[in-house]
Amino acid sequence: NAGVTQTPKFQVLKTGQSMTLQCAQDMNHNSMYWYRQDPGMGLRLIYYSASEGTTDKGEVPNGYNVSRLNKREFSLRLESAAPSQTSVYFCASGTGETQYFGPGTRLLVL
Amino acid sequence: GDSVTQMEGPVTLSEEAFLTINCTYTATGYPSLFWYVQYPGEGLQLLLKATKADDKGSNKGFEATYRKETTSFHLEKGSVQVSDSAVYFCALSDLNTGGFKTIFGAGTRLFVKA
Repeated sequence: NAGVTQTPKFQVLKTGQSMTLQCAQDMNHNSMYWYRQDPGMGLRLIYYSASEGTTDKGEVPNGYNVSRLNKREFSLRLESAAPSQTSVYFCASGTGETQYFGPGTRLLVL
Repeated sequence: GDSVTQMEGPVTLSEEAFLTINCTYTATGYPSLFWYVQYPGEGLQLLLKATKADDKGSNKGFEATYRKETTSFHLEKGSVQVSDSAVYFCALSDLNTGGFKTIFGAGTRLFVKA
């Protein structure tokens, strides 16, 4: 039982490049989330998916897109990376109120 | 909208000292309250939670009581250890039309010295 897994662990991009962050969970949770964590700002919700086939914007969705590929997988795409998207990205899943987090992806945009 | 405010860090304590990290919240409904902990290089883990007023959540020697009258959920531990060094996040979760939404505080970093 791996819980929530994320790939890659670390990525460096140049401004304007695109990439997809992958997330998978094996806990059969309906809901999945993408957050970014910046110093002094806690976690901010980018997008979430309450169930397979649905996605909704969170607090900071601009510059990102998501795909809920199936119940297990929820990917986050940066179409044209900007330095302001340098951050640590966490995927989480949950059923009900409690969330379970992956180990994070550290992204640096130059 | 809903919000969570927690004390700024870092908090630096000696081993076996008493810990309090303050957390207050604003919510329109009746949220559940949480403390999550993040160890270096890892994701957040649930530490404890409370789902209604006057409930006390506890785990690993940490505890917090849901105080509706003061809208607070302060984290306490009687005797901290070096291994408790981490970032602690207070959070609330409320049911909205799109499902459960969780709001996190900014986090409080704790350093415990041997």
